[in-house]
Amino acid sequence: AQSVSQHNHHVILSEAASLELGCNYSYGGTVNLFWYVQYPGQHLQLLLKYFSGDPLVKGIKGFEAEFIKSKFSFNLRKPSVQWSDTAEYFCAVAQTGANNLFFGTGTRLTVIP
Amino acid sequence: ETGVTQSPTHLIKTRGQQVTLRCSSQSGHNTVSWYQQALGQGPQFIFQYYREEENGRGNFPPRFSGLQFPNYSSELNVNALELDDSALYLCASTTYSNRLTEAFFGQGTRLTVV
Repeated sequence: AQSVSQHNHHVILSEAASLELGCNYSYGGTVNLFWYVQYPGQHLQLLLKYFSGDPLVKGIKGFEAEFIKSKFSFNLRKPSVQWSDTAEYFCAVAQTGANNLFFGTGTRLTVIP
Repeated sequence: ETGVTQSPTHLIKTRGQQVTLRCSSQSGHNTVSWYQQALGQGPQFIFQYYREEENGRGNFPPRFSGLQFPNYSSELNVNALELDDSALYLCASTTYSNRLTEAFFGQGTRLTVV
């Protein structure tokens, strides 16, 4: 069965610090990978996605993620976080051709001004 | 704003009761998925509707059922509510061909079962 692991449950950073959120998945076949963000009181929004090609994916708001197939990982990074990045971040995986996403348990990011 | 609206935003029900949650999909979208997000967890796939038929289902019992209407809006019905059904229920709309790449989520309905 597919599973998605996000090992950091709560991350607290000061503004301008660099961010890396871990995501590992378990599935042997071809997968599509996503990062979603949920700002307080708002809906889930897609940050970035990987389907194929360049394993370094750039998304909105300066976020990027790197797909490392050998490690089954898709870590999210941002060089310099802002207070407005305070939110919950979800990694998600979908089997190619499937109808649904499998989400991790999420990482809550708090950025201190 | 995603154009996906869910109603109601909050709901309190008693164990054993039935509940209906509603979702209006974004214009042009013909596929609706429902997810359950329990406190401290990521969203879990309940089922998807396409062309008014169920098109995939997660690990949820039959008391979770749904409908999709000709205008592509959708309902999630839960019978015989249990305390563990307390969660945020999310609706996501998309076109079938983009069902993974362009899913737009509503803000959710917070269901509390007491």
